[in-house]
Amino acid sequence: AQSVTQPDIHITVSEGASLELRCNYSYGATPYLFWYVQSPGQGLQLLLKYFSGDTLVQGIKGFEAEFKRSQSSFNLRKPSVHWSDAAEYFCAVGDEYGNKLVFGAGTILRVKS
Amino acid sequence: DTGVSQDPRHKITKRGQNVTFRCDPISEHNRLYWYRQTLGQGPEFLTYFQNEAQLEKSRLLSDRFSAERPKGSFSTLEIQRTEQGDSAMYLCASSSRNRPHEQFFGPGTRLTVL
Repeated sequence: AQSVTQPDIHITVSEGASLELRCNYSYGATPYLFWYVQSPGQGLQLLLKYFSGDTLVQGIKGFEAEFKRSQSSFNLRKPSVHWSDAAEYFCAVGDEYGNKLVFGAGTILRVKS
Repeated sequence: DTGVSQDPRHKITKRGQNVTFRCDPISEHNRLYWYRQTLGQGPEFLTYFQNEAQLEKSRLLSDRFSAERPKGSFSTLEIQRTEQGDSAMYLCASSSRNRPHEQFFGPGTRLTVL
């Protein structure tokens, strides 16, 4: 069965510092991987996705993620965090057929000035 | 191109009452998904439609839950005899025929059962 683990429930970083959010997945076939961001009381916004090809993918708002098949990981990174990045971030895995997404429990990012 | 919309945004009800939520997907998206998100958790899949056909239902979707998409456009999710454990955010998403794997989410309906 598919599963996603986000080991960090909360992360606090200083504004301007770099960020890495961890994601590990379990999936039997070729995974389709996603990062979504959710602000309080809001729906989910797609940050970036990986299907195939270059293992380093660029997304919106200056985020990037790297797929490492050997480690079953898809970590999200940003070189310099802005206060507006404070939100909850979810990693998800799906398949090529557009069936259900399986989400991790999320990581809450706090940004201190 | 408007996004996915959901109505209402918030619903407070008493235990035992029935509630119905509506989701309008992005126009021309043929797939529509429902997820439930409880506090501190990621969204959990409930069910999805391709056009008007309901293709998969999660075991989370008890007999008190029913979803429809009668004309392959908007969808409704009804919960009968609500329980306090049904309190959650109900999220709707849609995806297109060309990119079925890329789901776009609505703002959600927050249900509180007293």
